[in-house]
Amino acid sequence: QKEVEQNSGPLSVPEGAIASLNCTYSDRGSQSFFWYRQYSGKSPELIMFIYSNGDKEDGRFTAQLNKASQYVSLLIRDSQPSDSATYLCAVPLTGNQFYFGTGTSLTVIP
Amino acid sequence: ETGVTQTPRHLVMGMTNKKSLKCEQHLGHNAMYWYKQSAKKPLELMFVYNFKEQTENNSVPSRFSPECPNSSHLFLHLHTLQPEDSALYLCASSQVAEGSMTFFGQGTRLTVV
Repeated sequence: QKEVEQNSGPLSVPEGAIASLNCTYSDRGSQSFFWYRQYSGKSPELIMFIYSNGDKEDGRFTAQLNKASQYVSLLIRDSQPSDSATYLCAVPLTGNQFYFGTGTSLTVIP
Repeated sequence: ETGVTQTPRHLVMGMTNKKSLKCEQHLGHNAMYWYKQSAKKPLELMFVYNFKEQTENNSVPSRFSPECPNSSHLFLHLHTLQPEDSALYLCASSQVAEGSMTFFGQGTRLTVV
């Protein structure tokens, strides 16, 4: 089992819809979780992090964490074409090292 | 000025060449990293430097040689690379603390011919 798994997509949603991105992880001891956005040809950009079970909201983005199910998700409300990118889930392995998922490619259709 | 700066942005090199990638961070972080990103693969952690000391070398071939002269600068020296080494090489930095946020540079797109 991979340490961090994401559906590679592509995921397509119409403009204004909710995009739901999912990530599962294997290490039950993981305490913090990060979502990065990567536009084509660009470097990953940190957009959300979550440490506690439940939801964390930041503007149109909501991160959801369920440690019992080892599941973390990212919801994007009112999706915009500018949200089209690859979204990477990252989970610390040990100390300050991260495992990254392969990323989910999102396309928002105008 | 971005927090993590990499140069060059693009590099084409022959298999017999020697080149170096440079990274500089202006965030006051004390950990720096090299990652490799190939198509359809997860980001691969190559090297970790905490307080300018190398703490991880994830089975990276010796044709990649890192150097960290201080907490703000990181180099990746390249020699006798193979075409399969063509990828996006990303530098990143963070604090040395579990779960610290990691910030990436713009990356160097390397093509080995």
